[in-house]
Amino acid sequence: EPEVTQTPSHQVTQMGQEVILRCVPISNHLYFYWYRQILGQKVEFLVSFYNNEISEKSEIFDDQFSVERPDGSNFTLKIRSTKLEDSAMYFCASKWGRQEDGYTFGSGTRLTVV
Amino acid sequence: RKEVEQDPGPFNVPEGATVAFNCTYSNSASQSFFWYRQDCRKEPKLLMSVYSSGNEDGRFTAQLNRASQYISLLIRDSKLSDSATYLCVVPRYNFNKFYFGSGTKLNVKP
Repeated sequence: EPEVTQTPSHQVTQMGQEVILRCVPISNHLYFYWYRQILGQKVEFLVSFYNNEISEKSEIFDDQFSVERPDGSNFTLKIRSTKLEDSAMYFCASKWGRQEDGYTFGSGTRLTVV
Repeated sequence: RKEVEQDPGPFNVPEGATVAFNCTYSNSASQSFFWYRQDCRKEPKLLMSVYSSGNEDGRFTAQLNRASQYISLLIRDSKLSDSATYLCVVPRYNFNKFYFGSGTKLNVKP
């Protein structure tokens, strides 16, 4: 079964450092998303991406965040200057395009900012 | 009103029991709905989708009530392995975003 792949599975970084989280969505999917989940809390929307541009972003997705899909397969989330409160599990998801299609999630990157 | 609301539980049930979760949504334009299962510190995994009145897959049945704007998930003959958090997911009509409920925790006990 096709899957969404995320790397790394766990990243520890110092506050103020830049991190890049990588995702390879399912190849024929059209819609791409980043969500995050702080431990013990709800899954929160960050950003959606369609047709090579951002469709929508949340209040969390400020100037410190950016996304790219540079080569038609990878989908990256960059955090320019990490804060302690960015520590969370970051999930990438993709979707084909029909109403009835679900969203497939990657296994996540656990980001720990120290 | 929140986009998606769920009873957080936990629901503690014995093996073999039938258990049902409800989820209410606020946007009447939503067309399709999903139940996901999330194990501790893992990604959400699609359990069922529902975009007409309902859907059944083995021990799991999802129902949709558009008039009252809620969806339900029924699990029959609960197994220990059903212990997880069940997330209700409601997409926006244009797929730009989908909303998660806070999840309902299920504990199935021997």
